[in-house]
Amino acid sequence: KAGVTQTPRYLIKTRGQQVTLSCSPISGHRSVSWYQQTPGQGLQFLFEYFSETQRNKGNFPGRFSGRQFSNSRSEMNVSTLELGDSALYLCASSLARTGVGTGELFFGEGSRLTVL
Amino acid sequence: AQKITQTQPGMFVQEKEAVTLDCTYDTSDQSYGLFWYKQPSSGEMIFLIYQGSYDEQNATEGRYSLNFQKARKSANLVISASQLGDSAMYFCAMISDRGSTLGRLYFGRGTQLTVWP
Repeated sequence: KAGVTQTPRYLIKTRGQQVTLSCSPISGHRSVSWYQQTPGQGLQFLFEYFSETQRNKGNFPGRFSGRQFSNSRSEMNVSTLELGDSALYLCASSLARTGVGTGELFFGEGSRLTVL
Repeated sequence: AQKITQTQPGMFVQEKEAVTLDCTYDTSDQSYGLFWYKQPSSGEMIFLIYQGSYDEQNATEGRYSLNFQKARKSANLVISASQLGDSAMYFCAMISDRGSTLGRLYFGRGTQLTVWP
C-alpha cells in the first residue's frame, strides 16, 4: 500500500509570507501528527489530529496551525514566516492515536522549507 | 515527563560488523511503545523496528533487533552485518498509550552512524 505522502517536498519562501504543507496518510490511518526538525532543536512536536480534531499541541506560537479533513488528509499552515521557521517538516500517520500495540507509526519524506 | 536519551552522537563501524546504538528512556507510564527510525541525508524518516512495553520478546526485523531491558529502561538497537547503506542518523522514540501526551512521539537527539569499508 502507498506510504505517507507529503507535498511539496521543497519550497522557498520569504519572510512575512505564509505556507501550507500537505500530508496524506496511509490508507486507513486516522491519526496524523506533525514535527519540525532543525539542527539546533532536533525534532519537536507540533500537533496531532485524529478524526478531524486536534487532540494534542506542542509549544509553538499561534502562527502554526493545522487541520484534518474527513479523508484524514492533513494540512499545516505557517503564517508570517520568520527565518527561524526554516526546517524539515515531517508528518507521521498511524492507525490509532499511538501506534502502541500495532507498531504502525510511519513518516512521510518531509517538506523542506527555506525562509529567506 | 517522557524523555529519551541517546548518549552516542556518533558511531563508526566497519562493514559486515555488528553495532549497538544506545537508547534509554524515562516514563512513569506502564503502556508505551518504542520505535527506532533511520534518517538518511535525504531527510525521510524510515521506520526500522517497534517494541511494545508489554512485549515479552525482543523485537527483530531482518538485520535489526531491539535489546529491550524494561527494568533498566533501555531499548538499544542492534544492527548485524552492517552495510555501507546503513550510514545515516538513527533516532530512538517513545510514545505513551494514554494520558495527556497521547499522540505525541518523544525523540532522542539521534546517533550518526558511519559504516566504513
